[in-house]
Amino acid sequence: GDSVTQMEGPVTLSEEAFLTINCTYTATGYPSLFWYVQYPGEGLQLLLKATKADDKGSNKGFEATYRKETTSFHLEKGSVQVSDSAVYFCALSDTRDDKIIFGKGTRLHILP
Amino acid sequence: KAGVTQTPRYLIKTRGQQVTLSCSPISGHRSVSWYQQTPGQGLQFLFEYFSETQRNKGNFPGRFSGRQFSNSRSEMNVSTLELGDSALYLCASSTQQGFNEQFFGPGTRLTVL
Repeated sequence: GDSVTQMEGPVTLSEEAFLTINCTYTATGYPSLFWYVQYPGEGLQLLLKATKADDKGSNKGFEATYRKETTSFHLEKGSVQVSDSAVYFCALSDTRDDKIIFGKGTRLHILP
Repeated sequence: KAGVTQTPRYLIKTRGQQVTLSCSPISGHRSVSWYQQTPGQGLQFLFEYFSETQRNKGNFPGRFSGRQFSNSRSEMNVSTLELGDSALYLCASSTQQGFNEQFFGPGTRLTVL
């Protein structure tokens, strides 16, 4: 079945460092891909999404490109801030079976 | 516009009891989805309701059920609670069916003793 694998955390970086959080997926169809962020004590927020191959999603300085050839959707940000500390979830949604599958989440700590 | 609200925010129950959680979607949203979040299993999809009809369901036992009312508010019920049902239960709403533009509530933290 479909699955999402993301790098295990926690990831600890200094402020202004470059961020990459890896996400790879397995799907037999043509899924939509998402990154969600969860701040402490809150629900999830949609960070960005891509619905087809080569699409790039971007928001708040974060970017991710839907790479069908490598089945990846890595999250990147050029210069992180302390306020980016949160848990990040990669997810896929396949319209064939109308389900959504989340990765385990990656906790990010940004040090001032 | 008010966000998705969930009540109660915290709940403590004992094994064997049942529980009902409530979710009020953003005004105008007709789709409500429910999720279970645990440290071990992560975030798992429970079910989605759209216009009072359950559209799809994740891999959970029949003890987990839900419904949606004509005003789009939704309730989730868990019967015969087990220790493993302790989790954060999240709901999300959307204007359309599916998962493309979901807005999540803060969750209900359920502890089963």
